[in-house]
Amino acid sequence: KAGVTQTPRYLIKTRGQQVTLSCSPISGHRSVSWYQQTPGQGLQFLFEYFSETQRNKGNFPGRFSGRQFSNSRSEMNVSTLELGDSALYLCASSNGLGPLNEQFFGPGTRLTVL
Amino acid sequence: QKEVEQNSGPLSVPEGAIASLNCTYSDRVSQSFFWYRQYSGKSPELIMSIYSNGDKEDGRFTAQLNKASQYVSLLIRDSQPSDSATYLCAVKRDFNKFYFGSGTKLNVKP
Repeated sequence: KAGVTQTPRYLIKTRGQQVTLSCSPISGHRSVSWYQQTPGQGLQFLFEYFSETQRNKGNFPGRFSGRQFSNSRSEMNVSTLELGDSALYLCASSNGLGPLNEQFFGPGTRLTVL
Repeated sequence: QKEVEQNSGPLSVPEGAIASLNCTYSDRVSQSFFWYRQYSGKSPELIMSIYSNGDKEDGRFTAQLNKASQYVSLLIRDSQPSDSATYLCAVKRDFNKFYFGSGTKLNVKP
């Protein structure tokens, strides 16, 4: 069974630009969560999508947005990039149902904002 | 108060020893508990999940859960240098929302 895939793996952007990251969950999983990881702040939750609907949202500004498609693939968009957006962006996949479901991470996209 | 608290370490243990990693959580309604291992520059890898009070063993790993004390731990027996990594504790509440601790860095010295 294939794992979670994320593209691209590395990105370099400049301030003010926008970026779109993509995540394909494990086959059969309907939930995709996005996290930002930085050395100073650790792993911070951005949002979760389940069956094309945003079900949970973290405390990030509106510049961070996402969506999920009918095949469960998800995209995350960051507009008007700031230097502080440089981070490892992780996508996690789960079946999204009940207390006994486990979340599996993709390899991440490392974003550098210059 | 943070949702999930972990000692950042580093925790240093000699090869072959037992490494004990601890985690406390603030919300009693937390349903499920997870341990992830993260090597430097890599993404977190799920190593253990536990839902009921008591111990759960998987190979060299044992997760322990005490809901009354809101405490989760991970024991690694016969620690190996390859176990050197950051260990993240996570708790799940309703609607699939996961909360992560900041992680404990483990160093296993040969």
